[in-house]
Amino acid sequence: AQTVTQSQPEMSVQEAETVTLSCTYDTSESDYYLFWYKQPPSRQMILVIRQEAYKQQNATENRFSVNFQKAAKSFSLKISDSQLGDAAMYFCAYRSPNTGNQFYFGTGTSLTVIP
Amino acid sequence: KAGVTQTPRYLIKTRGQQVTLSCSPISGHRSVSWYQQTPGQGLQFLFEYFSETQRNKGNFPGRFSGRQFSNSRSEMNVSTLELGDSALYLCASARGTSGTGELFFGEGSRLTVL
Repeated sequence: AQTVTQSQPEMSVQEAETVTLSCTYDTSESDYYLFWYKQPPSRQMILVIRQEAYKQQNATENRFSVNFQKAAKSFSLKISDSQLGDAAMYFCAYRSPNTGNQFYFGTGTSLTVIP
Repeated sequence: KAGVTQTPRYLIKTRGQQVTLSCSPISGHRSVSWYQQTPGQGLQFLFEYFSETQRNKGNFPGRFSGRQFSNSRSEMNVSTLELGDSALYLCASARGTSGTGELFFGEGSRLTVL
C-alpha cells in the first residue's frame, strides 16, 4: 500500500508571509495523482490543489502552489501571502489510478497563522 | 448546490451496540466513500460505493459495513462497537472514480463509544 508522510505536525507563519508544508510519499506506480486538502476547525475538508504525476509543470491555484519532485517522491505545498483564513489542518493525499476513490492521506500539518 | 450531508452529526453509544450513519452525496455524484478520522491514525479509507456496488474496501474488520441506494445515498454500519471505534466518520462524494477528480467531504459524524 502507498504511504504518505507529513513530517511537520505543526507549523506557524506570520500573516502575509510564505510557508511551505512538506509531503513525501512512497509508491512503485509511475502514474498517480496527488492532492492537498484543507480541514478548517469546522471540519469540512476542501480541496486546495491537485497534481497529475505525468505533468512536470507544478500546479498553482492563486496563492497556493506545489513543488512536485517525482524522482524524490516529494510534493510540498507553498502558501504565499498567508491569511488568517488559511489556518487549518492540511492533508497531503495520494490516489492511485487503479483503486477508484481510495485516497491515502498523510497525518496532517496544523497551520497557525499569526496576525 | 447542496453539499454532502451526513447524519447524525454527533452520537454517543456504548460498547457492544451498533450504529448506522447516513450520507447524502452531492446531486449527480454516484461515488460515495467513507473514511475514519482519528488523532492517532489520521484518515483511513473504509470503503467506496459506486452505483450501488462496493468498489473498494479498506483494512477494517467485518464489523464495518456499508451500502448504497439507487439514489446514491449511502449508509455505513458498525456492529458490536468497541472503544477504539470512537472517531470522526467522514463521507465523501465524487462524480467519477478516476483521475484528478476531487472528493467532496461532508462535515462528518462524530461517534463516541463509552
